[in-house]
Amino acid sequence: AAGVIQSPRHLIKEKRETATLKCYPIPRHDTVYWYQQGPGQDPQFLISFYEKMQSDKGSIPDRFSAQQFSDYHSELNMSSLELGDSALYFCASSPNTGELFFGEGSRLTVL
Amino acid sequence: DQQVKQNSPSLSVQEGRISILNCDYTNSMFDYFLWYKKYPAEGPTFLISISSIKDKNEDGRFTVFLNKSAKHLSLHIVPSQPGDSAVYFCAASTQDTGNQFYFGTGTSLTVIP
Repeated sequence: AAGVIQSPRHLIKEKRETATLKCYPIPRHDTVYWYQQGPGQDPQFLISFYEKMQSDKGSIPDRFSAQQFSDYHSELNMSSLELGDSALYFCASSPNTGELFFGEGSRLTVL
Repeated sequence: DQQVKQNSPSLSVQEGRISILNCDYTNSMFDYFLWYKKYPAEGPTFLISISSIKDKNEDGRFTVFLNKSAKHLSLHIVPSQPGDSAVYFCAASTQDTGNQFYFGTGTSLTVIP
């Protein structure tokens, strides 16, 4: 069965650079979530989209933005990267039944 | 402020015995709870859920218990298998927060063969 696909799996950037993470949800899932998981921490909710509209916003820094496109894939854009942005970024999709289906994550390392 | 807490960062259990993972929450408005399992280098995988109208939900070897008065839920795995070794996250949500899920910090379970 198709799963949530995230790309790239690994990304290395320097401070003040920009990074873009992509997420391709499971077909027919209408909600996409972005989570950030720092080392030894629980996943922190960043932002979610329902039917291509932003539905909820969590602890997403102003330097970050996200959108969901007409094909339902989502992109998380991160600018002016800081060392503290180094984390695993998970995308999850949901068919609105309550369960989240997570991708394998994109590991961002900021040097 | 951590609204969902898993106070045991790790747990070791013998194969065949019961594993009990605990989770506490502070927001009495939470009405839907989930457990996720995570292997290294993989995303969390959904295991089992329970809504606040129930106090127990069972799926094979996995059972989740909810005690609303104590704001506590637990995941029981019986019998435990070495393949169950992973990090387990509990998560909670409420209609008031829309689709936002709050995660605990995770418990690393090791099942010893």
